[in-house]
Amino acid sequence: TQLLEQSPQFLSIQEGENLTVYCNSSSVFSSLQWYRQEPGEGPVLLVTVVTGGEVKKLKRLTFQFGDARKDSSLHITAAQPGDTGLYLCAGGEYGNKLVFGAGTILRVKS
Amino acid sequence: KAGVTQTPRYLIKTRGQQVTLSCSPISGHRSVSWYQQTPGQGLQFLFEYFSETQRNKGNFPGRFSGRQFSNSRSEMNVSTLELGDSALYLCASSGTGQANYGYTFGSGTRLTVV
Repeated sequence: TQLLEQSPQFLSIQEGENLTVYCNSSSVFSSLQWYRQEPGEGPVLLVTVVTGGEVKKLKRLTFQFGDARKDSSLHITAAQPGDTGLYLCAGGEYGNKLVFGAGTILRVKS
Repeated sequence: KAGVTQTPRYLIKTRGQQVTLSCSPISGHRSVSWYQQTPGQGLQFLFEYFSETQRNKGNFPGRFSGRQFSNSRSEMNVSTLELGDSALYLCASSGTGQANYGYTFGSGTRLTVV
């Protein structure tokens, strides 16, 4: 089974600051997805990237897939309290299952 | 359209008992996957069903089993419960069943084994 390392594990920042979350592996994934999960709920898909070097933007969130399809990053500009949650990266293995990183707990203070 | 529905939301069971969890996917979706989420291990893949057939299975003991019905609804069963089975069990629905397209998760069933 392939492994995904996510960093940092925990991030506490002030409203308005920028941040980046990283997701790294020694293995190649067919796709890389980012999810956000709030307490007591299931993960919600934010984005899927499938092409090496691909960059996608979702309002203040920018997602990038590494050229070699082994790593990804999530950058949030001007974070807001509503961005608080658990951010999970997940790699699509050839087949039909996802391998999840351990997650990054983000807390944005107002 | 309605999302993924998991029932029950909360469950408390005693060691040694068995439990059945239910998942109704988004209408039209034929793939249902199950994941276990714990603070220590994160999200771990249990199994995936597509059109009533188990297509993929994770590294869990045989006490964990599942099935899918003709209407795509799925159930998972855990027999001889252990304290370590306490977790949030999540069901994920997909139209294609291909991981590249992403999944829609339900809110989960919180199982506590005492």
